[in-house]
Amino acid sequence: GNSVTQMEGPVTLSEEAFLTINCTYTATGYPSLFWYVQYPGEGLQLLLKATKADDKGSNKGFEATYRKETTSFHLEKGSVQVSDSAVYFCALSDNDSGAGSYQLTFGKGTKLSVIP
Amino acid sequence: GAGVSQTPSNKVTEKGKYVELRCDPISGHTALYWYRQSLGQGPEFLIYFQGTGAADDSGLPNDRFFAVRPEGSVSTLKIQRTERGDSAVYLCASSFINTGELFFGEGSRLTVL
Repeated sequence: GNSVTQMEGPVTLSEEAFLTINCTYTATGYPSLFWYVQYPGEGLQLLLKATKADDKGSNKGFEATYRKETTSFHLEKGSVQVSDSAVYFCALSDNDSGAGSYQLTFGKGTKLSVIP
Repeated sequence: GAGVSQTPSNKVTEKGKYVELRCDPISGHTALYWYRQSLGQGPEFLIYFQGTGAADDSGLPNDRFFAVRPEGSVSTLKIQRTERGDSAVYLCASSFINTGELFFGEGSRLTVL
């Protein structure tokens, strides 16, 4: 079955530090890949996505590249801010476009704390 | 409202009781999902609705769990004979069809004593 493995947290960084959160996946076929973020007191929200190999998703200074050869989708940001403190979830979906379902398989989440 | 609304935000119940959790999706979203998130874990898929029908209920753990969406908008997740292992945050999400961008509510935290 499908699975997502992401680096364990928590991760604590100083403001302006470089961020990498590793994510690897196992899937049949050609899934779409996502990063979702959950800020304190809020619901999960989509951060970025990539739907095919070598695609790069980007948003709010975050980037992730769909690497089929290494089955990875690592999240990076060049300079984190205190406001980036949140829990980050890597996820994949089987593209069952016939039924319109985007059933997501999530990793366990990585908690990021950015200190001033 | 502008986002996905879930009620109650917190529910404490006793083992063996019946529970209903409600989800009000974003207006116009025809796809609706329920997920369950246990402590320290990522969300796990339960059920997907396309319109009024449950198109995929493969994630429901057993027959104590049931969900409905009678008019294609609001959905209710129903749990019968609750067990302590049902304690988790139940998340609802909605989206347009054929898009991977799911909009999640803040969840309903269920505690079974």
